[in-house]
Amino acid sequence: NAGVTQTPKFQVLKTGQSMTLQCAQDMNHEYMSWYRQDPGMGLRLIHYSVGAGITDQGEVPNGYNVSRSTTEDFPLRLLSAAPSQTSVYFCASSVLRSGANVLTFGAGSRLTVL
Amino acid sequence: AQKVTQAQTEISVVEKEDVTLDCVYETRDTTYYLFWYKQPPSGELVFLIRRNSFDEQNEISGRYSWNFQKSTSSFNFTITASQVVDSAVYFCALSEAGNNNDMRFGAGTRLTVKP
Repeated sequence: NAGVTQTPKFQVLKTGQSMTLQCAQDMNHEYMSWYRQDPGMGLRLIHYSVGAGITDQGEVPNGYNVSRSTTEDFPLRLLSAAPSQTSVYFCASSVLRSGANVLTFGAGSRLTVL
Repeated sequence: AQKVTQAQTEISVVEKEDVTLDCVYETRDTTYYLFWYKQPPSGELVFLIRRNSFDEQNEISGRYSWNFQKSTSSFNFTITASQVVDSAVYFCALSEAGNNNDMRFGAGTRLTVKP
């Protein structure tokens, strides 16, 4: 099983450029989410989805868009990149159930905005 | 909103020493879940343990043990006889039953185990 696959692993952007971070999972998980990891701040939730066609904002959603057209894919879009979006991004998924979700994470995508 | 504090930014120990990583949490929910994740130098995040708020039993898994104390809102993680392979960043996290789609992480503790 591939688990959660993120692409690209590394990306350098100039301020104002747009890009999409891809995330795909093959575990038939209902729940998917995006986190960013910054030094000294842990992981912060950007957006999440509980199923195809359903998305919601997390703790730090500004500057990011998401969509969930299929169960497998959950892309994260940066419409106009800013240096403050330099970070490591993690996609995660889990089975959606009444208890807490144990997240399976992707390998991460390191984004640098110049 | 819920909050997780890991006051220890970095810890350095010599191999075979015991080390405890502290985690203090804040929540208004009576039902919640606590987690520990490990991030080795390779960068991936690995799930270690989950504990729900109704289960205060301590847990031991090999050299790892977890001490959950609701009275002090703490969920500490101890590694016994540390090894170089334990070197990693460790994250404590919390999610509330009323909003279990929003998992909040602490800032992480970087553990370095020297040979």
